[in-house]
Amino acid sequence: SAVISQKPSRDICQRGTSLTIQCQVDSQVTMMFWYRQQPGQSLTLIATANQGSEATYESGFVIDKFPISRPNLTFSTLTVSNMSPEDSSIYLCSVRLARGREQYFGPGTRLTVT
Amino acid sequence: KNEVEQSPQNLTAQEGEFITINCSYSVGISALHWLQQHPGGGIVSLFMLSSGKKKHGRLIATINIQEKHSSLHITASHPRDSAVYICAVRGPRGGGGADGLTFGKGTHLIIQP
Repeated sequence: SAVISQKPSRDICQRGTSLTIQCQVDSQVTMMFWYRQQPGQSLTLIATANQGSEATYESGFVIDKFPISRPNLTFSTLTVSNMSPEDSSIYLCSVRLARGREQYFGPGTRLTVT
Repeated sequence: KNEVEQSPQNLTAQEGEFITINCSYSVGISALHWLQQHPGGGIVSLFMLSSGKKKHGRLIATINIQEKHSSLHITASHPRDSAVYICAVRGPRGGGGADGLTFGKGTHLIIQP
């Protein structure tokens, strides 16, 4: 299994500012993902965080808005840049230990943009 | 693209009742996940299954591959079971995004004491 922690757990931010969310895993994992869950919606994959290289973004998400770092196999950050109220969501980090295996999710970061 | 439908969307029950949440999908899959999301937002993985049935405590998950349907059952429900239950399916060739998952919209369960 994998235990995931995220910081911060919640934040209220002003429009136009940026917030960096940290994700720490208690073991080395190859597959790490970032999701967004807008109010009342299901989870949407933002990107796959790749260790040592640029993240792979899903359609509708771009690096300038959601820069991601992954310096090693246990840690990643997601930045939400130039925030607007539409960015108010829960952001979740998730890992999979190997292909075909169970997927684990972090506690989430609840972001409110005013 | 796989379509994942959950029913019911909302469910309120009394403590002790037997709960059933359903998940249907449109395209063949390699695995199905049941997830639990508490009000704070964090998600816990309950089950991953590709056939048959799994049991953990008061929770039971079943899947019928031919009918493209899965159910999550909660026996002797308790107020602490109140949460959103999410079904997610993984396609055989990694359908959906790079994670291969397509998520349902969730079932909001409230268990009243």
